[in-house]
Amino acid sequence: NAGVTQTPKFQVLKTGQSMTLQCAQDMNHNSMYWYRQDPGMGLRLIYYSASEGTTDKGEVPNGYNVSRLNKREFSLRLESAAPSQTSVYFCASSGTSGGADTQYFGPGTRLTVL
Amino acid sequence: GQSLEQPSEVTAVEGAIVQINCTYQTSGFYGLSWYQQHDGGAPTFLSYNALDGLEETGRFSSFLSRSDSYGYLLLQELQMKDSASYFCAVRATDSNYQLIWGAGTKLIIKP
Repeated sequence: NAGVTQTPKFQVLKTGQSMTLQCAQDMNHNSMYWYRQDPGMGLRLIYYSASEGTTDKGEVPNGYNVSRLNKREFSLRLESAAPSQTSVYFCASSGTSGGADTQYFGPGTRLTVL
Repeated sequence: GQSLEQPSEVTAVEGAIVQINCTYQTSGFYGLSWYQQHDGGAPTFLSYNALDGLEETGRFSSFLSRSDSYGYLLLQELQMKDSASYFCAVRATDSNYQLIWGAGTKLIIKP
């Protein structure tokens, strides 16, 4: 079991460029999440998908879009990157055991926007 | 609103016991979770308290008191590998899937 995987691990963008962060999980979890973590801060939820076919906004959704491609995959898109989006992005998933309180995280994508 | 407060940094000695506190302001929540994050790594789940009282998992224990709006993570027999940041998080009852996170406590362990 790979758990939660994310690609890419690192990315540098110029202001205005777009990109998609990929996330996949092999734990048969229903729910998936995208967070951002800024230095010295906790995690902030960008979007989540409670189950396949549904997505909802979290705390900081502006400037992002998501797609729940299937049960395994949940992608995050930055349409026009801004320096304020420089952050570490984590994807997570949760299943029925432990529910949303027990989340499993991917290794993260370190994004720098110049 | 909902918020959680943790000390930004705690220092302890290898082999000792340390307690990391978490106080919260939320109208209602399901339970209190704790996660560990090593520098450059991803958060990993440590423990969850749905009910008041102490939950023990090996060297780690977590406590919740809803009446005091307070919880803590207790780490015993500290090892150098326990040097990490520790986050508390709650899931509010008005948001089924969203965890609200504290800013994290950096635990520094000295030999």
